[in-house]
Amino acid sequence: AQTVTQSQPEMSVQEAETVTLSCTYDTSENNYYLFWYKQPPSRQMILVIRQEAYKQQNATENRFSVNFQKAAKSFSLKISDSQLGDTAMYFCAFINNNDMRFGAGTRLTVKP
Amino acid sequence: DGGITQSPKYLFRKEGQNVTLSCEQNLNHDAMYWYRQDPGQGLRLIYYSQIVNDFQKGDIAEGYSVSREKKESFPLTVTSAQKNPTAFYLCASLTVYGYTFGSGTRLTVV
Repeated sequence: AQTVTQSQPEMSVQEAETVTLSCTYDTSENNYYLFWYKQPPSRQMILVIRQEAYKQQNATENRFSVNFQKAAKSFSLKISDSQLGDTAMYFCAFINNNDMRFGAGTRLTVKP
Repeated sequence: DGGITQSPKYLFRKEGQNVTLSCEQNLNHDAMYWYRQDPGQGLRLIYYSQIVNDFQKGDIAEGYSVSREKKESFPLTVTSAQKNPTAFYLCASLTVYGYTFGSGTRLTVV
């Protein structure tokens, strides 16, 4: 079975600093996609970043970047220059053949 | 704008009642999903449909039912057999580019 593990239930960071959220997954597949989603207090799920497993280059979206280590099955999210609006739940997710699995989430608080 | 529309935003159910949550999409996506989210927890898959007139159970399908009579619509019925239905429900459609989520329905048993 494919599983996604986020080992940090809660994290905090000072505004303008950098924080890294961890995610590991387990699969026997070779082709898949990985995602980070953000869920602010409004509860709307927002796509943060996406990574194709066949690409070695780490995805980057403005202040958000990933460290994708395929052999280690690790997919961490780095948020640079943290802003108060980054406060949210962050979910790591895995897709293969329309089977999408979510981690339990990490609650990130950005402190002023 | 294309997207997923869920209604209502808030729903109250009496004990023993069936209620139906609406999910409509205008993205022309084939695959649609229903998730349940309990406070402070992740998403758990209830049902999904990859094509019209076909759907599969997810991890927590007991007490729920769905239909997929047309591509745009994937309603979820929470039946009286669901003993703890109070939760936040999210509908989504899926492509390889990821999920597009609706804004959710908060269901409360009164």
